[in-house]
Amino acid sequence: QQQVKQSPQSLIVQKGGISIINCAYENTAFDYFPWYQQFPGKGPALLIAIRPDVSEKKEGRFTISFNKSAKQFSLHIMDSQPGDSATYFCAAGASGSRLTFGEGTQLTVNP
Amino acid sequence: DGGITQSPKYLFRKEGQNVTLSCEQNLNHDAMYWYRQDPGQGLRLIYYSQIVNDFQKGDIAEGYSVSREKKESFPLTVTSAQKNPTAFYLCASSRSGLAGTYNEQFFGPGTRLTVL
Repeated sequence: QQQVKQSPQSLIVQKGGISIINCAYENTAFDYFPWYQQFPGKGPALLIAIRPDVSEKKEGRFTISFNKSAKQFSLHIMDSQPGDSATYFCAAGASGSRLTFGEGTQLTVNP
Repeated sequence: DGGITQSPKYLFRKEGQNVTLSCEQNLNHDAMYWYRQDPGQGLRLIYYSQIVNDFQKGDIAEGYSVSREKKESFPLTVTSAQKNPTAFYLCASSRSGLAGTYNEQFFGPGTRLTVL
């Protein structure tokens, strides 16, 4: 019940395209859903996060969509750029508790 | 600059040896975490500490030990009991791990451990 399932494992997108990464969870106690971006050899950095009181959150080219009834959330990267090439992790947690991470998606944006 | 430092960046160990990875933060965060990262397996939680002098096992604690004697420091020891220790180790911290707070975690740059 603690698992967070992330897909796809890898994704190749052309420059200017839309990148979409999906995550699903089981634990209904989860109420915090962050996305992290990691470049090779570096630690992950928080990209954007959402709480279940909203269905969508947008920051620049990055949007989280959240479907509470389906227990799913997704990251959309609009106008994808080669500089967006990185590994993306979704995560979920309940307030005051640890985060559970998805397995990660390696995104490649071709020029 | 506020942040999390991990040292060393690269570490080589012979089989059968214990090794300690350093993690220091100057963000005044109460909670600290250790993760292990292997290719295609995401981030797996080893240990975490919500407050000084207290810590809890994560999902893969076997073969590891930690201490939390100071708020800013959370060293991880990889013992000889850890069967496959070669991995990328990440330390993280958050302002609080207590109920009612949301766990925005900040990560250090990582230590790559290789067992020879």
